[in-house]
Amino acid sequence: GAGVSQSPSNKVTEKGKDVELRCDPISGHTALYWYRQSLGQGLEFLIYFQGNSAPDKSGLPSDRFSAERTGGSVSTLTIQRTQQEDSAVYLCASAASLNEQFFGPGTRLTVL
Amino acid sequence: QKEVEQNSGPLSVPEGAIASLNCTYSDRGSQSFFWYRQYSGKSPELIMSIYSNGDKEDGRFTAQLNKASQYVSLLIRDSQPSDSATYLCAVKGAAGNKLTFGGGTRVLVKP
Repeated sequence: GAGVSQSPSNKVTEKGKDVELRCDPISGHTALYWYRQSLGQGLEFLIYFQGNSAPDKSGLPSDRFSAERTGGSVSTLTIQRTQQEDSAVYLCASAASLNEQFFGPGTRLTVL
Repeated sequence: QKEVEQNSGPLSVPEGAIASLNCTYSDRGSQSFFWYRQYSGKSPELIMSIYSNGDKEDGRFTAQLNKASQYVSLLIRDSQPSDSATYLCAVKGAAGNKLTFGGGTRVLVKP
């Protein structure tokens, strides 16, 4: 079946603007994760959803970051008042159980 | 001390040789361990998962886990130029469901 999809693939925005990143998980996967990967920082966890609830938000770097998941499927990561340090590749992963996670292609965010 | 540590490399191996990658982790209660391959400009691709002490083989890949030593490794046999990538070690800790990643080891397979 289809893998994890993310949109947009690239997003260029100006400092101070809000952005929304979308993730469509593998059908039937109940767990959904957001990570980000930036040069020199590696891959870091942001937030985890089980169904529509988010039991672990510990990785969100500031209150400018929020995420929601509706219908146990699509998730949206919103970054308000973007800053240059938000520039990174944002990766979404989904899992059928609580183990193997499969990543989408990512959204490359550039904040000018 | 980082939670998951890997040698950044590059690890240069001749085509046909065995590439050996190592990873250590700090959370002694960790139960699930994963290896991802990431080509430049692409997202991580899961290649191996291991949950029990010992070896697990899948094709040319073998993962090895030693929980007492908090050590997990990946062997790539008969290395091919297409294996040239960054290999990420990921660990799921005792609490929670997130993966903690090492910084990755860059592997270069030379023809």
